[in-house]
Amino acid sequence: DTAVSQTPKYLVTQMGNDKSIKCEQNLGHDTMYWYKQDSKKFLKIMFSYNNKELIINETVPNRFSPKSPDKAHLNLHINSLELGDSAVYFCASSQGGGALNEQFFGPGTRLTVL
Amino acid sequence: GQNIDQPTEMTATEGAIVQINCTYQTSGFNGLFWYQQHAGEAPTFLSYNVLDGLEEKGRFSSFLSRSKGYSYLLLKELQMKDSASYLCAVRDIGEDSSYKLIFGSGTRLLVRP
Repeated sequence: DTAVSQTPKYLVTQMGNDKSIKCEQNLGHDTMYWYKQDSKKFLKIMFSYNNKELIINETVPNRFSPKSPDKAHLNLHINSLELGDSAVYFCASSQGGGALNEQFFGPGTRLTVL
Repeated sequence: GQNIDQPTEMTATEGAIVQINCTYQTSGFNGLFWYQQHAGEAPTFLSYNVLDGLEEKGRFSSFLSRSKGYSYLLLKELQMKDSASYLCAVRDIGEDSSYKLIFGSGTRLLVRP
């Protein structure tokens, strides 16, 4: 009965490869997010979708492309992976992007680029 | 600009009280959150303040002063399981009216017996 799930939990890959991370939430929320947490533990917003529509797109290289097939899923595709992409990527969801409700986070995907 | 500051590390003793401070500067403040994150795990919601004052929830309380750009998280009757990072996050309204959470770097709390 996991609320926000991500796959895979660990991802180790070579520079230059293309990879995807999947996220699903069963909370019935209409807003989903992708965050990146670097080695210094800063958690930084990358993207936010509300009802499958992109509402936040921070200054992220366009090698990163989110895709929301429906409001319960938000996937992240990364092209031409670089060493600096190594981090933990968290998916989150909330009811309403501007509402008072808190965000629920997935377990994270630890990406290591060699 | 946007800036959130909190101490990097704190140490406290089991059973004691600890206060973790957070100061912030944002252009479109719309509430402050505290999250707890154990090593290798996801952040989990602890508290939310949008008005000045103290919000109490069991052993945890959070305070906000919007005029001072200041918040603190108070943990009472510390337990070993409280050893974790505590993240202060401000919800900010952008120029495009979008809401986003801006996180501090977190305070790593170590509870000792």
